[in-house]
Amino acid sequence: GAGVSQSPSNKVTEKGKDVELRCDPISGHTALYWYRQSLGQGLEFLIYFQGNSAPDKSGLPSDRFSAERTGGSVSTLTIQRTQQEDSAVYLCASSSMGQGWDYGYTFGSGTRLTVV
Amino acid sequence: AQRVTQPEKLLSVFKGAPVELKCNYSYSGSPELFWYVQYSRQRLQLLLRHISRESIKGFTADLNKGETSFHLKKPFAQEEDSAMYYCALSARAGGTSYGKLTFGQGTILTVHP
Repeated sequence: GAGVSQSPSNKVTEKGKDVELRCDPISGHTALYWYRQSLGQGLEFLIYFQGNSAPDKSGLPSDRFSAERTGGSVSTLTIQRTQQEDSAVYLCASSSMGQGWDYGYTFGSGTRLTVV
Repeated sequence: AQRVTQPEKLLSVFKGAPVELKCNYSYSGSPELFWYVQYSRQRLQLLLRHISRESIKGFTADLNKGETSFHLKKPFAQEEDSAMYYCALSARAGGTSYGKLTFGQGTILTVHP
């Protein structure tokens, strides 16, 4: 597609429920990243995909968080048993490693998650 | 481990005044530095990267390895520059690009008329 697409744009969920956040990167971008943007916390790295594999999952805050990527394209971030501290904007970005990530990321518009 | 510090959460200037958004980093290797910007109700986007030594929208940033800084500067601020600015660093490992960015906490710039 023309840009990085994320869905849903907003999600309100009850504490304890599971949620799935979706990211559709730019076609042909092999690298995909998930970040979390919280007020006062800046952007926290969550996970990095190269193709379908995730060489770096070091930013996932707990085992309630998981992510997968299929077909070298769409990625899903799943949060199980959501807690109020999970409330944040979840950002996805993609980059063309072939051209060199030096050109920077292209970000999606994010999913605003609110846990009530 | 790498770290990026933006000491100012808020920065206010008047239109036409010079502006400098500070960014300091810690990383033992050779970093790649970026500035990203997020305008109101828009997505986060790349503003400039040190490797290209470019000027975008009148902004420049010079990597100072001695001071481990990558401050963003503009000689004459405009109202449309009001936004959230993030400094980011990427570490090269073993001579190859990895791509993971470490962001600072961001600075909200407000340019008053």
